[in-house]
Amino acid sequence: EAQVTQNPRYLITVTGKKLTVTCSQNMNHEYMSWYRQDPGLGLRQIYYSMNVEVTDKGDVPEGYKVSRKEKRNFPLILESPSPNQTSLYFCASSPRLAGGLNEQFFGPGTRLTVL
Amino acid sequence: GESVGLHLPTLSVQEGDNSIINCAYSNSASDYFIWYKQESGKGPQFIIDIRSNMDKRQGQRVTVLLNKTVKHLSLQIAATQPGDSAVYFCAEYTGFQKLVFGTGTRLLVSP
Repeated sequence: EAQVTQNPRYLITVTGKKLTVTCSQNMNHEYMSWYRQDPGLGLRQIYYSMNVEVTDKGDVPEGYKVSRKEKRNFPLILESPSPNQTSLYFCASSPRLAGGLNEQFFGPGTRLTVL
Repeated sequence: GESVGLHLPTLSVQEGDNSIINCAYSNSASDYFIWYKQESGKGPQFIIDIRSNMDKRQGQRVTVLLNKTVKHLSLQIAATQPGDSAVYFCAEYTGFQKLVFGTGTRLLVSP
């Protein structure tokens, strides 16, 4: 089944304890992205990647890191989480078609709470 | 319709009615728009898209209308069903695979 998977789905942690949220897609998509979703603010892009070893900042990159060493994986790293990073996180992927316009496929989400 | 703010707009309809969800987008240069549906506990799911060279596009029970003059997008759902209850987001493509999402509208369908 074609899908985007995220792990963990739920995580409660404490301020300053490094964590990684994994994202994997099995559709051979070139483009991957991370979003956070907060009440009343919709989805905001954190980082995106156009291809392996190519990453760039989105709208709210502060406090986050990403890496793209393989095409299928795009982990989100919080080196020193803070309570304002408590949010619902989504990973998404899409193929890179001619013209560059296409839908993104979303994972099921990771609910993170930082105490 | 959708708006930036702390409160999520809500549209309540009766089963069988037609629903219209509105969205104002910001970038006049945006040339691709998508509507997503997000059910509770799930990630956004693609519904329908439209390119800027079109005014209307129809899918199964859904129609998207685009008015570039006033930068307005709408999603029409025909014969709304309880399974249509969800939060609906519009998104505009601003280039380089970057999608900018609206804040969402919650659709509540009562039997």
